[in-house]
Formats: sequence, structure tokens, C-alpha cells
Amino acid sequence: SAVISQKPSRDICQRGTSLTIQCQVDSQVTMMFWYRQQPGQSLTLIATANQGSEATYESGFVIDKFPISRPNLTFSTLTVSNMSPEDSSIYLCSVRMGGGTEAFFGQGTRLTVV
Amino acid sequence: AQTVTQSQPEMSVQEAETVTLSCTYDTSESDYYLFWYKQPPSRQMILVIRQEAYKQQNATENRFSVNFQKAAKSFSLKISDSQLGDAAMYFCAYRRLQGAQKLVFGQGTRLTINP
Repeated sequence: SAVISQKPSRDICQRGTSLTIQCQVDSQVTMMFWYRQQPGQSLTLIATANQGSEATYESGFVIDKFPISRPNLTFSTLTVSNMSPEDSSIYLCSVRMGGGTEAFFGQGTRLTVV
Repeated sequence: AQTVTQSQPEMSVQEAETVTLSCTYDTSESDYYLFWYKQPPSRQMILVIRQEAYKQQNATENRFSVNFQKAAKSFSLKISDSQLGDAAMYFCAYRRLQGAQKLVFGQGTRLTINP
């Protein structure tokens, strides 16, 4: 298994600003993902964070709005840029170990944009 | 594209009773994984149980078991001897065996346990 530390746990931000969320894993992992969970909704994949290269974004999500970094095999960041109230959601980091079947999740970041 | 459907937005059960949560999915793949995740108010997503599509035997984890019907593309979760700590949102999820490694989630079922 993997222990995932996600920071911040929650934040309230002004519209037009940006927030960077950090995801730190206690061991090297093959794959890292960022999901969004809008209020009362299910989880939707934003992008797959690739180590040493640009992230792979899902349809409807763009790099200018959600820039992602993954400098090594244990750390990634997601930035929510130029925020609007519609960005208010829970953002979750998820990882999968090499050869493993299941995905592990961080505790999520609850973002409120006012 | 693969889709996952949970048709029960909310379910409730008496403590110590048994409850079944429904999930159907759509895929053209023959090999894949299916999962049930639990999300309590703490927001932490916790894996409850997983099933490999190539295995005919239904997965079981203590009080949790699944009824996997591959031809019908159905994957229900049975919780036996329900406990107060089982109260949470439950999400059914699908992942391809090859290619894209993302999880595709259903809409979720909120389970309430009545004491």
C-alpha cells in the first residue's frame, strides 16, 4: 500500500487567484492521477501526471487551467488557475504502484472559491 | 467509452441487516477490473473490494461480497451484518486491463445505517 499526504486539506480562495495542491507519497509509484469531485457528484479524472513530461489531460480539462507537475516518482502538484466559483470541488490525488491493481487516494483538498 | 451506472442514489438498512448496492457498466473490453470504493465524511476513498473480470469466482472480503455477472455487465455489492461504520458513499468503478489506466466511477450510492 501507499501513504499519501495531500496539502492543503481545505482552502477558501478568492476568484481570479490560483491554488497549488501538493501530493506526496511515501514510496515510489508508477502512476499518479488527479481527480475532481464536484459537490454531490462522482469523481472525474482531470489528468494523469507523467514523471518528467507533460501531463495527459482528459477531455474538458486543459493545461492552462490545471497545470500539473511531477518532478519525481513520489511527488506531484496540481494548480487550479484563475479560479471561479465553479471550481469549488474536492480535488483528490490518486496513485498506483507498479504492477499493482488497486489505486490509493489522498484525503482530498476541499476548495471553496468565493 | 466505458460507463458505470449506479441506479440507487440512496439506500438505508437496519444495523446487523444485509444490503445490496447495484452497479452496471458498459464496455467492449473482455478483460478489466471492477472495484467498490467507500467514501466516508472524511473524504478518504477506501477500497472495499475488487474483482478481476477473468475470474469467475465472486470476490469476498469479510462482510463484503460481490455478485459479478459478466454477461449482464452487473457488479453488485452485498454488505452483511451492517455496522454503523459502514455508513458512507459507495462508488463502483471500472478500469481497463490495458491502455488507459484511469478509473471510471459511477454516480455513487449514499448508504445510511439505522441503529
